[in-house]
Amino acid sequence: DQQVKQNSPSLSVQEGRISILNCDYTNSMFDYFLWYKKYPAEGPTFLISISSIKDKNEDGRFTVFLNKSAKHLSLHIVPSQPGDSAVYFCAASGTDAGGTSYGKLTFGQGTILTVHP
Amino acid sequence: NAGVMQNPRHLVRRRGQEARLRCSPMKGHSHVYWYRQLPEEGLKFMVYLQKENIIDESGMPKERFSAEFPKEGPSILRIQQVVRGDSAAYFCASSPETGGKQYFGPGTRLTVT
Repeated sequence: DQQVKQNSPSLSVQEGRISILNCDYTNSMFDYFLWYKKYPAEGPTFLISISSIKDKNEDGRFTVFLNKSAKHLSLHIVPSQPGDSAVYFCAASGTDAGGTSYGKLTFGQGTILTVHP
Repeated sequence: NAGVMQNPRHLVRRRGQEARLRCSPMKGHSHVYWYRQLPEEGLKFMVYLQKENIIDESGMPKERFSAEFPKEGPSILRIQQVVRGDSAAYFCASSPETGGKQYFGPGTRLTVT
């Protein structure tokens, strides 16, 4: 039961161009979404997040878009840099019917981004 | 402000032995989460703890696995009688409150031989 899906295992882009990473979810109780970046042999590092009351959040080169009706979010990185090469994970959390936060994060499988100089 | 600390970073155990993984959350964080990453997969939630309480253990295997977060000291993830399938990277995360951003440690890579 994969509630958060990243259907592209890998993405390759040229330095300076835009990278677009996609994520789909199925659980309508999810109301908070995060993107993490992970280098080999390290823990995930938080990049950016978005609450379900918004449809866009921007932080420097990183922008996350949320389409609630489609249960889809995307991370845009522009311009892409070689140092952005890493695995990117989409994650989601939510609240139950009683309004209690799940606490836990549900992760997608990850997308390997390679930015070529 | 030191980040989330995990030790050991690498742990090798023979089948049947016990593995103990430790996690010290960021200062001021009272919420701790454990995740496991199998090769070529995403992170899977295991357990969520607050001081002296297990809040959600829905991701923990029913046998051999246990977790605690005592009043003093680090959180411990304990795996008894390890098997080859337990080989994975185990990540700990912490947060100051529930439902928000979580900060991850560097992980413990467990290898069962």
